[in-house]
This record gives sequence, C-alpha cells and structure tokens, in this order.
Amino acid sequence: RKEVEQDPGPFNVPEGATVAFNCTYSNSASQSFFWYRQDCRKEPKLLMSVYSSGNEDGRFTAQLNRASQYISLLIRDSKLSDSATYLCAVKDTGGFKTIFGAGTRLFVKA
Amino acid sequence: GAGVSQSPSNKVTEKGKDVELRCDPISGHTALYWYRQRLGQGLEFLIYFQGNSAPDKSGLPSDRFSAERTGESVSTLTIQRTQQEDSAVYLCASSSSGGGYEKLFFGSGTQLSVL
Repeated sequence: RKEVEQDPGPFNVPEGATVAFNCTYSNSASQSFFWYRQDCRKEPKLLMSVYSSGNEDGRFTAQLNRASQYISLLIRDSKLSDSATYLCAVKDTGGFKTIFGAGTRLFVKA
Repeated sequence: GAGVSQSPSNKVTEKGKDVELRCDPISGHTALYWYRQRLGQGLEFLIYFQGNSAPDKSGLPSDRFSAERTGESVSTLTIQRTQQEDSAVYLCASSSSGGGYEKLFFGSGTQLSVL
C-alpha cells in the first residue's frame, strides 16, 4: 500500500461547479498535512495546510479526519484558473520527511 | 530574496554517463529535499537533509544515486551510470526548519533526459 493515496483523476468539471478531492495516508503517526497545487510543467506550490480543526481560504476548504486517516479538499465555484494538479502531502512525526501523493488532475471548462 | 535555484534546468545525457544536479536552497533554510517526478506521475521522495543531522536516504532507488550537502548550503544529487528509466524532472525543495507545518519551497527542477 502506498503511504499517501489520492483519488484517481482526471476530474472534468464546468465553471462554477463544486469539486472534492480525497487523500488517504497509511501512517497513523503522521503529524502535518498539506495540499499543494502544481500547474503544468511548473513546480508545486503550497495551496493550504490542513489543520485538525479544518480550515478555509476563500473558495477552498480543507479537512482532516485522523480517525479514518484521510484529508479532503473542497473547491467551490470552480474557475478556469483552478485547472491544475492537486497534490496531497503528509509529514512524518519526528523525521519530518514529507511524502506526496500521485496527484489529482482537475480540468475546469467553460 | 531569491528562491530555490536548480541547475541545470535541462540535461540530456547518454546512457551510462554520470550526471550531477545542483540545488541552492533559500538562505537560512536548514531542511532540503530531493524528489523525482516522472512524466504524469507524483513526486517520489529521494532524500532529506536537516541541518548537520545524518540525511534520510530511504527514498534513493539504487546505489547509483547519491547526494551531498555541505552544512546548510548547496546540495548536489549525483546519478552514476544513468539509465533510461532515470529520465524525469528532479525537484529540490527547502524549508525553514522542516518541522511541523513548515511549507516546502520548490525549485523549478532539472529535466533529465537519458538517451
């Protein structure tokens, strides 16, 4: 089993749609959780961190479920500019090694 | 302040040759990571440096791969006797301390093509 697994993509949605991505992790001792965004042929950039209490940044909401070992990302009112690959990342306790999922590709169309 | 810098941006080499990839982290960042990303795939962890601690080499795929970092400065990733399956983008990232919710800052990567 992979350490971090994500929904297979791609997701094709119309503008204005709401889309949700899930990510599961295998190490119950994992400490910190993130969503990164990667545009085509570009480096990943942090989208948002995922805290135990959940957090929201504009149209983006991230949630963590430690009991079930998954994190989620919800994008509301999708824009064309949201088209990208979304990478889930998990950081181990102690070692601080950050492991990424394979990414979920999102296409938002007009 | 400059971001993470990687060189070269592109490298084409022949099978069997050695290559050396360089990463300049953000000044003051103690944590440095190397990842490999094959076309259409996610980021594969290779190695992690944290200050003067022994590096976490658990992701290096074979003994042909090695990496060094002097203190909290430049790192080099060396691939010996390159194979075609080594073709990928090699991404370097740094973070302030590596712990907790410190985010990673990525360089733009080195595209390695092994012919």
